[in-house]
Amino acid sequence: EPEVTQTPSHQVTQMGQEVILRCVPISNHLYFYWYRQILGQKVEFLVSFYNNEISEKSEIFDDQFSVERPDGSNFTLKIRSTKLEDSAMYFCASSGLAGQGEYEQYFGPGTRLTVT
Amino acid sequence: AQSVTQPDIHITVSEGASLELRCNYSYGATPYLFWYVQSPGQGLQLLLKYFSGDTLVQGIKGFEAEFKRSQSSFNLRKPSVHWSDAAEYFCAVGATLTGTASKLTFGTGTRLQVTL
Repeated sequence: EPEVTQTPSHQVTQMGQEVILRCVPISNHLYFYWYRQILGQKVEFLVSFYNNEISEKSEIFDDQFSVERPDGSNFTLKIRSTKLEDSAMYFCASSGLAGQGEYEQYFGPGTRLTVT
Repeated sequence: AQSVTQPDIHITVSEGASLELRCNYSYGATPYLFWYVQSPGQGLQLLLKYFSGDTLVQGIKGFEAEFKRSQSSFNLRKPSVHWSDAAEYFCAVGATLTGTASKLTFGTGTRLQVTL
């Protein structure tokens, strides 16, 4: 069964460093998302991406964040200068073709980011 | 703006007992509704979804949910809980937009504990 994959599973970085979180969405999906979950809290939307551009972003997704689909398979989230409060589990999700499950988002296993 | 309320933070049930997890949503039109389950340290697995039609929807692992427009609710049920159902359960609402990425808004989650 197709699934969303994410690498790495755990990333430890120092405050102020740049990190790139990688995701491989399900191959025929067109809509891509990043969410985050701070420990013990709810899952929060960060950004959605379609047709090679950002569709929507939340207040959390400030200038320190960027997303990219550098090739036909990867979808990345970059944090330019990490802060302690960026420590969280980051989930990538994807959903399918218009009229064929575009609203069903499938989530990856997450990358746990720890900023020290 | 869309929002989800899960009033129960923590529920404990005995194995074999029935289960109902509550979810109330706020959205200006008929929403798309989802239940996800998250086991410790794991990603989010889609249990079931409601888009339209029959208001009682069946999902995986023996779960079902009923959409009640008059109560703005989408409660999750299971007639007989198994110990392996212990996890965190998230209700989510998605905007009904066509042809574009549509973010999910999650509730704060209900942690289910199952006693033997």
